[in-house]
Amino acid sequence: GESVGLHLPTLSVQEGDNSIINCAYSNSASDYFIWYKQESGKGPQFIIDIRSNMDKRQGQRVTVLLNKTVKHLSLQIAATQPGDSAVYFCAENVHNTDKLIFGTGTRLQVFP
Amino acid sequence: EPEVTQTPSHQVTQMGQEVILRCVPISNHLYFYWYRQILGQKVEFLVSFYNNEISEKSEIFDDQFSVERPDGSNFTLKIRSTKLEDSAMYFCASKTDRSTRELFFGEGSRLTVL
Repeated sequence: GESVGLHLPTLSVQEGDNSIINCAYSNSASDYFIWYKQESGKGPQFIIDIRSNMDKRQGQRVTVLLNKTVKHLSLQIAATQPGDSAVYFCAENVHNTDKLIFGTGTRLQVFP
Repeated sequence: EPEVTQTPSHQVTQMGQEVILRCVPISNHLYFYWYRQILGQKVEFLVSFYNNEISEKSEIFDDQFSVERPDGSNFTLKIRSTKLEDSAMYFCASKTDRSTRELFFGEGSRLTVL
């Protein structure tokens, strides 16, 4: 799969390939970061989160990497499936607040 | 699997009219939120609510907006006098406690102001 920044709104990958979705965040005081998946007509769905004191966290078929030096977050999806097609948002929780600040979404399209 | 439910799924209203959007959070959750998403844009925080009062709100959440938990299950967002720019998808969300990071979102209520 091809790695793109959020200034490119669409990532197209072939089924079975790995996908990498990137996000740049702005607030160095964020406590944690979350990736959400939003399918058409639905609300955001929690995928995985990572605390700010970690640099990597793995879930089922997904891995989130955090690079605090450059304020960069990525979501890696292994063996991308058609059901992974959606818009993916990163979000950050700023220290001492209870709100999430969402980034601009990236649309992932999976083709056979 | 428990879920956050929202009604209506779509509401069309005239500018200046009052709108109430309803949400039933997951039953054992204590923290409640409204977010909105203008078409094609980011999801934006509006307000958080705990223990029957607002705990945080954004600049968007001005005097035209209010939230209420009128009974043990519903959580409502009221817009007193809608404006064209209020047209958006409004998402209710809830979680069990403040330290929990997993926030559960409803499917949203689309508001169209004409």
